[in-house]
Amino acid sequence: DAGVTQSPTHLIKTRGQQVTLRCSPISGHKSVSWYQQVLGQGPQFIFQYYEKEERGRGNFPDRFSARQFPNYSSELNVNALLLGDSALYLCASSFQTDTQYFGPGTRLTVL
Amino acid sequence: GIQVEQSPPDLILQEGANSTLRCNFSDSVNNLQWFHQNPWGQLINLFYIPSGTKQNGRLSATTVATERYSLLYISSSQTTDSGVYFCAARGRGSTLGRLYFGRGTQLTVWP
Repeated sequence: DAGVTQSPTHLIKTRGQQVTLRCSPISGHKSVSWYQQVLGQGPQFIFQYYEKEERGRGNFPDRFSARQFPNYSSELNVNALLLGDSALYLCASSFQTDTQYFGPGTRLTVL
Repeated sequence: GIQVEQSPPDLILQEGANSTLRCNFSDSVNNLQWFHQNPWGQLINLFYIPSGTKQNGRLSATTVATERYSLLYISSSQTTDSGVYFCAARGRGSTLGRLYFGRGTQLTVWP
C-alpha cells in the first residue's frame, strides 16, 4: 500500500508570495494533520482535519489555512510568505486516534 | 499543551555499541510515538507505545505511563541508525491527532 504522499518535494518562493502544499493520506485514513519543522527543532502542529472538518489548530497566524477534500486529501496554504516560513512541512495521516504516519515532507525556502 | 523533553540531545557511538534514549512528558498521554528522521527529513515510525514494552529487531521501547517517561533502546548500533530520534505525545483531552514533539536526540554512529 502507498504511504502518505506530498507534493511538491521542494519549493522556492519569494517574500510576499503565496504557496499551496498538497497531501494524500494512506488509503482508508480520514484524518490529516500538518506540521512545520524548522531546522534544529521538532515538528510543530499547524492543523488537523478529520472527515473534512477542522478539528484543531496550532499557534500559527491566519496566513496559514488548510482544507480537506471529499477524497480526504488535503491542501495547506500560506499567504504573504515571510523568511521565517522557510521550513520542512510535514503531513501525517491516521485512521482515527492512533498511530500517525508521516509523508516525506515539502521543503519550502523563502527568499 | 503537554511538554516533551528528550535526552541526551546528542549521542555519538561506535558501531556495535548499545544506547538508551529518554523521553519525559509532563502529563498523562493516550498516544506516545517514537520516530527516526532520516537525512532527507522523512519521519519513520518506530513504535506506537502509550504504555508497556515493545520490541522490533534491535530496537525496543518501554513507556512507564504512571511515571511519565519512555525509553528507546538501540542495541548493536549500525551506521544506518544515525539520524535524529523524536518522541511525540498526545495528552488526554488534547486535539485529536495533535502530537507534541520533543527536540530530538541526534545520534551519530561511527564505523
